[in-house]
Amino acid sequence: GIQVEQSPPDLILQEGANSTLRCNFSDSVNNLQWFHQNPWGQLINLFYIPSGTKQNGRLSATTVATERYSLLYISSSQTTDSGVYFCAVGGENYGQNFVFGPGTRLSVLP
Amino acid sequence: EAGVVQSPRYKIIEKKQPVAFWCNPISGHNTLYWYLQNLGQGPELLIRYENEEAVDDSQLPKDRFSAERLKGVDSTLKIQPAELGDSAVYLCASSLGAVANTGELFFGEGSRLTVL
Repeated sequence: GIQVEQSPPDLILQEGANSTLRCNFSDSVNNLQWFHQNPWGQLINLFYIPSGTKQNGRLSATTVATERYSLLYISSSQTTDSGVYFCAVGGENYGQNFVFGPGTRLSVLP
Repeated sequence: EAGVVQSPRYKIIEKKQPVAFWCNPISGHNTLYWYLQNLGQGPELLIRYENEEAVDDSQLPKDRFSAERLKGVDSTLKIQPAELGDSAVYLCASSLGAVANTGELFFGEGSRLTVL
């Protein structure tokens, strides 16, 4: 069946540290997004990245579609980066829907 | 430009009562999704609309859940009767096109349901 895995499940960092979050998926995708769910539950778009590399400030993401994984990099982490990070994959092999991974819970300590 | 708007943000009801959630997508977005998010888990699709047509409702528990998207714009998700296990966050999302094309998802703030 369709599988979307994220690692690590939990991550605790000191403010200023860097981190890498990983998303593995079981089938080829047409679409991949990274979201940040803040403590108030809002899902915020970080990247729309079915392939290639993008950067936005301290965050960057890389998707290697042929190897079925995506990475989210957070540099110089801040306490406001805390929350849960989800990857969502979608496309024809996923019933034209988005399937979400279980998320990585990040806690950044001051 | 306004984002996806949902209401109510919070709802507390007793079991067996009905409840309805409303969603207004981003203007021009043809595709609308309702997701269910249980505590500590990722969102799970309930139903997807392309314009006014429900093209995927395979995960919608049809014995108690119903949804509609009249005129292909805003949408309502209803639960009747609610059960204790329905306590969760109900998320609405919209996208300009299908997942395989310009399908970037945008979410509303969600409706948190507590069934007592």
